[in-house]
Amino acid sequence: DTGVSQNPRHKITKRGQNVTFRCDPISEHNRLYWYRQTLGQGPEFLTYFQNEAQLEKSRLLSDRFSAERPKGSFSTLEIQRTEQGDSAMYLCASSFGTAQETQYFGPGTRLLVL
Amino acid sequence: TQLLEQSPQFLSIQEGENLTVYCNSSSVFSSLQWYRQEPGEGPVLLVTVVTGGEVKKLKRLTFQFGDARKDSSLHITAAQPGDTGLYLCAGEARSGGSNYKLTFGKGTLLTVNP
Repeated sequence: DTGVSQNPRHKITKRGQNVTFRCDPISEHNRLYWYRQTLGQGPEFLTYFQNEAQLEKSRLLSDRFSAERPKGSFSTLEIQRTEQGDSAMYLCASSFGTAQETQYFGPGTRLLVL
Repeated sequence: TQLLEQSPQFLSIQEGENLTVYCNSSSVFSSLQWYRQEPGEGPVLLVTVVTGGEVKKLKRLTFQFGDARKDSSLHITAAQPGDTGLYLCAGEARSGGSNYKLTFGKGTLLTVNP
């Protein structure tokens, strides 16, 4: 399977703990995106990378959130000092970067903060 | 801030019926994408429309992009239980030449009863 993969698929943590999620995009895609989706809502944009450069961050991304894409391939999203409000599905998507922007999503990481 | 309004939010129909889902905005989008999402999974791309007035067909699904590229519709003919899922529209609005994030609607949760 050469689609976008995310790990772990599920994460349960206690409030105050740090968590890290990984996304492996489709191999030839140079753009990578992180979104967050809560129950009953569509995904909301968090941040995006073109190769290893982080080009945009949403105001939703507080100081406790950090994302990296060190070699322009996989990416990690870390949440420090988790809060119950961080509970959500975290989605990663990638795209090839052409005139017609089509993003392909991974299966997501569902986070539950107790 | 671009907003996408989807309607209806919920739709429950019998197998064999037709339905239409609407996606409206006051903003112009350079492209619009329709996704289908199942519980606990990431969105799966159905179609991308780019040109105002464009109509695309995918088996029993017909997608239309408004002439002004501000709205779109998804029509399903003879719905089947396998069509059950959350249908999301997402618009891409480029600003400053480097913004490729998607703005999602809240989705239409479709249930097709046998």
